[in-house]
Amino acid sequence: ETGVTQTPRHLVMGMTNKKSLKCEQHLGHNAMYWYKQSAKKPLELMFVYSLEERVENNSVPSRFSPECPNSSHLFLHLHTLQPEDSALYLCASSQAGGDDGELFFGEGSRLTVL
Amino acid sequence: DQQVKQNSPSLSVQEGRISILNCDYTNSMFDYFLWYKKYPAEGPTFLISISSIKDKNEDGRFTVFLNKSAKHLSLHIVPSQPGDSAVYFCAASSKWSSGGGADGLTFGKGTHLIIQP
Repeated sequence: ETGVTQTPRHLVMGMTNKKSLKCEQHLGHNAMYWYKQSAKKPLELMFVYSLEERVENNSVPSRFSPECPNSSHLFLHLHTLQPEDSALYLCASSQAGGDDGELFFGEGSRLTVL
Repeated sequence: DQQVKQNSPSLSVQEGRISILNCDYTNSMFDYFLWYKKYPAEGPTFLISISSIKDKNEDGRFTVFLNKSAKHLSLHIVPSQPGDSAVYFCAASSKWSSGGGADGLTFGKGTHLIIQP
């Protein structure tokens, strides 16, 4: 298994649908993150979980709901999204308190909201 | 307001020459800087980093320079190779001042590097 895996890789949903993105890390890290990458914008940090507790929520709309059941798994639950939410959603993990600040990213879930 | 800025959306360099990618930041609390490389349909991968106590870090063909007074860093790739064609993201964190906790990274918009044969 590669370090950080995300499923599904591609998702198309209507504005009234409910779906979830899944992320799993096999690196033994204790922190996990959701980032959003929109066209011509920087990667935007959405949520941070450290030791399974949410430590940051950067004013993300409530239609995005994260869940971190354990240190290896992270979900992003989606409901009543808008077309402008179409983007690449990247999951990452790191070892908080480690010697470097490196994040390890998954390949991303490409979301299209119709 | 963007705290990490990459003002060149794209850069074209001939194979074998030096590629120089630039990054500016505004937050004085940033003390750790990283460069990531991203190919299409893949997640970003870590390339090289530098802490604020250094002004240069080298790893093979890749060198990162940090000018704290100018709040500027640059990534040098020499010699440039076709496989270097990708989007390069500059990222920063206040790792040490935050006690090394899980703060995430603040990214720039990226620079698309194109290596021409």
